[in-house]
Amino acid sequence: EPEVTQTPSHQVTQMGQEVILRCVPISNHLYFYWYRQILGQKVEFLVSFYNNEISEKSEIFDDQFSVERPDGSNFTLKIRSTKLEDSAMYFCASSENWGDTGELFFGEGSRLTVL
Amino acid sequence: KNQVEQSPQSLIILEGKNCTLQCNYTVSPFSNLRWYKQDTGRGPVSLTIMTFSENTKSNGRYTATLDADTKQSSLHITASQLSDSASYICVVSATGGFKTIFGAGTRLFVKA
Repeated sequence: EPEVTQTPSHQVTQMGQEVILRCVPISNHLYFYWYRQILGQKVEFLVSFYNNEISEKSEIFDDQFSVERPDGSNFTLKIRSTKLEDSAMYFCASSENWGDTGELFFGEGSRLTVL
Repeated sequence: KNQVEQSPQSLIILEGKNCTLQCNYTVSPFSNLRWYKQDTGRGPVSLTIMTFSENTKSNGRYTATLDADTKQSSLHITASQLSDSASYICVVSATGGFKTIFGAGTRLFVKA
């Protein structure tokens, strides 16, 4: 069964460093998303991406964050100059459609620890 | 403000018993409501998705209901199994955008 894959599964970095989290969405999906879940808290929407551009972003997704689809398969989240509070699980998701029929398929997440 | 509230926060039941989880939302204009199961440290997995016109939807032992008038949904789990132990998250989407509002989840513990 097709699935969303994420790498790395866990990354530890020093405060101030740049981090790139990678995702391979399901191949026929057109809509891509990043979500964040701080330990013990709810999942939070970060950004959605369609047709090679950001469709919508939340207040969390500030200038520190950027997304890119560098080729036909990968979808990346870059975090510049990481802060302690960026420590969280980051989930990538994709969907074939959006709206009422847009079922989201999530990856297993990338755990980011900022020291 | 768009919000999704879930209750109870946590629940302990015995294996084989049924349970019902609640979700109230204020998201507007409403597009759809989804229930996800999230095992600890894993990504959420979709259980059901319902639109405005749907009142109930089943997926195996999971049955979700939706009352769009009162803006309430429930997830009923029948004949619970130990593997049902997880967080169950209610997610509501508004029309006109891609943003999804997640509830904090109900943590279900199924004991033998």
